[in-house]
Amino acid sequence: GDSVTQMEGPVTLSEEAFLTINCTYTATGYPSLFWYVQYPGEGLQLLLKATKADDKGSNKGFEATYRKETTSFHLEKGSVQVSDSAVYFCALSNRDDKIIFGKGTRLHILP
Amino acid sequence: DVKVTQSSRYLVKRTGEKVFLECVQDMDHENMFWYRQDPGLGLRLIYFSYDVKMKEKGDIPEGYSVSREKKERFSLILESASTNQTSMYLCASSLLRGYNSPLHFGNGTRLTVT
Repeated sequence: GDSVTQMEGPVTLSEEAFLTINCTYTATGYPSLFWYVQYPGEGLQLLLKATKADDKGSNKGFEATYRKETTSFHLEKGSVQVSDSAVYFCALSNRDDKIIFGKGTRLHILP
Repeated sequence: DVKVTQSSRYLVKRTGEKVFLECVQDMDHENMFWYRQDPGLGLRLIYFSYDVKMKEKGDIPEGYSVSREKKERFSLILESASTNQTSMYLCASSLLRGYNSPLHFGNGTRLTVT
């Protein structure tokens, strides 16, 4: 079945460092891909998405490119802030609207 | 902005009790979902619904049931709570079936079963 694998955390970085969180997927057909973020004490919220190969999703300085050849959707940010500390989930959705999540990566940013 | 409201933020119940978790969304979304979130396991889909009175099993439906009598409300029912159902429960909704719409989540209900 469809699945999502993302790098395990926690990831700890200093403020202004470059961030990469790796995500790869297994799916039939052409899924849509998402990154969700969960801030402490809150539910998940959509960070960015891409619906077809080579699409780049971006929001709040974060970017991810849908790479069909490597089945990847890695999340990047050029300069992280303390306020980016959260748990990040990679996810995919196929035709049946069921969204399958990775296990999440906890990110700590040190001032 | 879509608002998904879960009725309780924290809940403590005893083993064997029947537990109701309520979720309401205010944007006329067709699809509604219940997930549980556990450390190291991420989010796992319990049940989902594409329309009123419709329900579909997710990946871990055992020990749970759901009710969707009105489009905006989706209830998760633990028929006889057990300690292994202690978890964070997240409700979500999305706009239309078949369009891979993103999910909108509530803030979660942390359930402890003693």
